[in-house]
Amino acid sequence: GIQVEQSPPDLILQEGANSTLRCNFSDSVNNLQWFHQNPWGQLINLFYIPSGTKQNGRLSATTVATERYSLLYISSSQTTDSGVYFCAPEITNAGKSTFGDGTTLTVKP
Amino acid sequence: GAGVSQTPSNKVTEKGKYVELRCDPISGHTALYWYRQSLGQGPEFLIYFQGTGAADDSGLPNDRFFAVRPEGSVSTLKIQRTERGDSAVYLCASSPYLGQRRSTDTQYFGPGTRLTVL
Repeated sequence: GIQVEQSPPDLILQEGANSTLRCNFSDSVNNLQWFHQNPWGQLINLFYIPSGTKQNGRLSATTVATERYSLLYISSSQTTDSGVYFCAPEITNAGKSTFGDGTTLTVKP
Repeated sequence: GAGVSQTPSNKVTEKGKYVELRCDPISGHTALYWYRQSLGQGPEFLIYFQGTGAADDSGLPNDRFFAVRPEGSVSTLKIQRTERGDSAVYLCASSPYLGQRRSTDTQYFGPGTRLTVL
């Protein structure tokens, strides 16, 4: 099956700093989702981004499907951004997503 | 509107017992997914339904695991003869119609059921 690698595995930031999270995948994909899992375990969908760039407030994401990677940008980080960020690509016509192991982000005040 | 709900939120059982985990998807969502998440890992796909039928059950680890969605809404994940290795958080997600290309749409997750097998 598809291999999904996320980097870095852990990231510690000071409040207000910017960061870039990366997701590499090994196969052609129909689409890709980014999720945030908060400290209470709830998974929240951030982006549905098969290609191109999308922005939502301080967050933006870019997927380059032809080069098999996606990036999540967090600007002016806040303590509430802490948690685990997962990317979940779906290989072509599979109808299901495969999750990476995530990047654990800690934002310190 | 209501999101995805899962019951119970916690379940503690003894090795060898039978358990049922329930998922109520967002109203009108035809696709429903079950995942399992162990500590420090991403969710692992188990099965997904399009309507009442299981479109892909390739992630179910063995024949002790079974899931149903008889009316195309609520789904139940059933685990027979539970083992300690089944302990994990079981997550359910729903999304709108997959479409003719069978591509996933935005997935909305429930809060999960934490299963502990003693």
